Amino acid sequence: DTEVTQTPKHLVMGMTNKKSLKCEQHMGHRAMYWYKQKAKKPPELMFVYSYEKLSINESVPSRFSPECPNSSLLNLHLHALQPEDSALYLCASSQSGERAKNIQYFGAGTRLSVL
Amino acid sequence: DAKTTQPPSMDCAEGRAANLPCNHSTISGNEYVYWYRQIHSQGPQYIIHGLKNNETNEMASLIITEDRKSSTLILPHATLRDTAVYYCIVIGWDNDMRFGAGTRLTVKP
Repeated sequence: DTEVTQTPKHLVMGMTNKKSLKCEQHMGHRAMYWYKQKAKKPPELMFVYSYEKLSINESVPSRFSPECPNSSLLNLHLHALQPEDSALYLCASSQSGERAKNIQYFGAGTRLSVL
Repeated sequence: DAKTTQPPSMDCAEGRAANLPCNHSTISGNEYVYWYRQIHSQGPQYIIHGLKNNETNEMASLIITEDRKSSTLILPHATLRDTAVYYCIVIGWDNDMRFGAGTRLTVKP
């Protein structure tokens, strides 16, 4: 099973809302990632968790708050977002943090619209 | 910044081989070349990776030049379902995956 499951598939929220994106994998992977992808652009790395600890934060605004409650789950908490944050949010996982031997498995993404 | 250069788009006839080039002239000795693809509205999908030897799997072949400054992804018999954006990515021990603009491959009947 090489599945990474993201929920919800679609989310519409207002600028004052608080919402969360969820990502789950059961492959025993110890590294998990959040990417943001704007239309017709490549994915951009946001956060990396390695062994449930945040190891990379690509200068993402504090209105995005990641959480890794256990090795199978990754959340992205959203608060006071702006319309320009509308994008496809992708989660990925890999076996470990050894980046060069680092096949990442991606979920289908959550398409977020901020009104 | 991405360390690779790819043509923005390519076409291929269905059933023919698709050869997608990638330039990575600044690659270091410990950096791998990875290929992913993204079919419209889906998450990226791993295809293949290599260090210096040519590699083949059930999806594709990867040819890396001897000086490692460029590589070619080969889809031996392209189908319409191979229409996607193909990303060539260089990854080392101490850096994370950074996507470049990729090549939009269109397979035509």
